[in-house]
Amino acid sequence: DADVTQTPRNRITKTGKRIMLECSQTKGHDRMYWYRQDPGLGLRLIYYSFDVKDINKGEISDGYSVSRQAQAKFSLSLESAIPNQTALYFCATSDFTEQYFGPGTRLTVT
Amino acid sequence: GQNIDQPTEMTATEGAIVQINCTYQTSGFNGLFWYQQHAGEAPTFLSYNVLDGLEEKGRFSSFLSRSKGYSYLLLKELQMKDSASYLCAVRNYGQNFVFGPGTRLSVLP
Repeated sequence: DADVTQTPRNRITKTGKRIMLECSQTKGHDRMYWYRQDPGLGLRLIYYSFDVKDINKGEISDGYSVSRQAQAKFSLSLESAIPNQTALYFCATSDFTEQYFGPGTRLTVT
Repeated sequence: GQNIDQPTEMTATEGAIVQINCTYQTSGFNGLFWYQQHAGEAPTFLSYNVLDGLEEKGRFSSFLSRSKGYSYLLLKELQMKDSASYLCAVRNYGQNFVFGPGTRLSVLP
């Protein structure tokens, strides 16, 4: 089984809809991250969490919110989706060395 | 602020050696990472440098010079499966990772 899982893997939604992307990990790491990836822009940090009670904004948090339900679960919400939030979204966990990424969620907002 | 720069695209021939450069400016440096990412897939960890010098891992090596804000990833004996994007990332004192735009490498037969 994969160490970091994301659901859904693909989603098409309409402008103005609320959508939640979920991430679960079995690595036992405290640190979890949400990134979005756009062509030519690399990975950009949306939110990160270093434990259940710790939530921090990243570089591009506007229009997003997160919830850390447990050590293993970190969800990303788009309260009112807009077309420029169309992107590939990755969840990641980290120990003191590397990051481990989930398979990604491809989100399209029409 | 933080800024990371990499070449956008590179092309090399199967069996050859290629060097992918990364320059960075950061307010607090706590390690430099290289990831490989095939199209549509998740990034996977390749190497990590926190001190100056060369780290070797099989066909892949990574070099760091903190005083110059410079790193490179060296890929030897290129194979077709090495065609991918290579992401340079800096970890800062806040334990966050800032990624460069990635270098898309095409390996030709």
